[in-house]
Amino acid sequence: KAGVTQTPRYLIKTRGQQVTLSCSPISGHRSVSWYQQTPGQGLQFLFEYFSETQRNKGNFPGRFSGRQFSNSRSEMNVSTLELGDSALYLCASSGQETYEQYFGPGTRLTVT
Amino acid sequence: GQNIDQPTEMTATEGAIVQINCTYQTSGFNGLFWYQQHAGEAPTFLSYNVLDGLEEKGRFSSFLSRSKGYSYLLLKELQMKDSASYLCAVRDGRGGGFKTIFGAGTRLFVKA
Repeated sequence: KAGVTQTPRYLIKTRGQQVTLSCSPISGHRSVSWYQQTPGQGLQFLFEYFSETQRNKGNFPGRFSGRQFSNSRSEMNVSTLELGDSALYLCASSGQETYEQYFGPGTRLTVT
Repeated sequence: GQNIDQPTEMTATEGAIVQINCTYQTSGFNGLFWYQQHAGEAPTFLSYNVLDGLEEKGRFSSFLSRSKGYSYLLLKELQMKDSASYLCAVRDGRGGGFKTIFGAGTRLFVKA
């Protein structure tokens, strides 16, 4: 069974631009969560999607948004990028019968 | 609000036993997780506790006391490869979905 995949793996953007990151969960998993990881703040919860619906949202500004498609693939978008958005963005999927989350390798975003 | 505390760093000797503590405050508690994260890699699942008591899995054990808001991860027969960050995370089940809040992580250094 293939693991969680994220694209792209690395990204460099300029302040003010927007970016879209993609996550493909493990086959059969319907829950996808997104996290931002920085050295200073650790892993912070962004949002969780299940069956195309956002079930939970963390304490991030509205510039951070996401969606989930019918095949459970998910995207997150960050608009009007700021230097502080430089981070590793991780997505994780979980199945209905399991409680553990399987993480993808992450997308490292650098904003200059 | 939600708060998770764990030590920033710990050092232990190969072959020894180490206990990493975690205290938390949260509403809607729906389970506590421990993840391992090697530098530059995604977190990997270690254990899950939702009821009080000890869960053992090979060299790793995790304990939970919900009344005290306390958990620990016990690593036995330490190996050099156990040098990593250990993340304590709490799942909040309010709102119908699952929101997982991570602690800042404990960096464990295993020395020969």
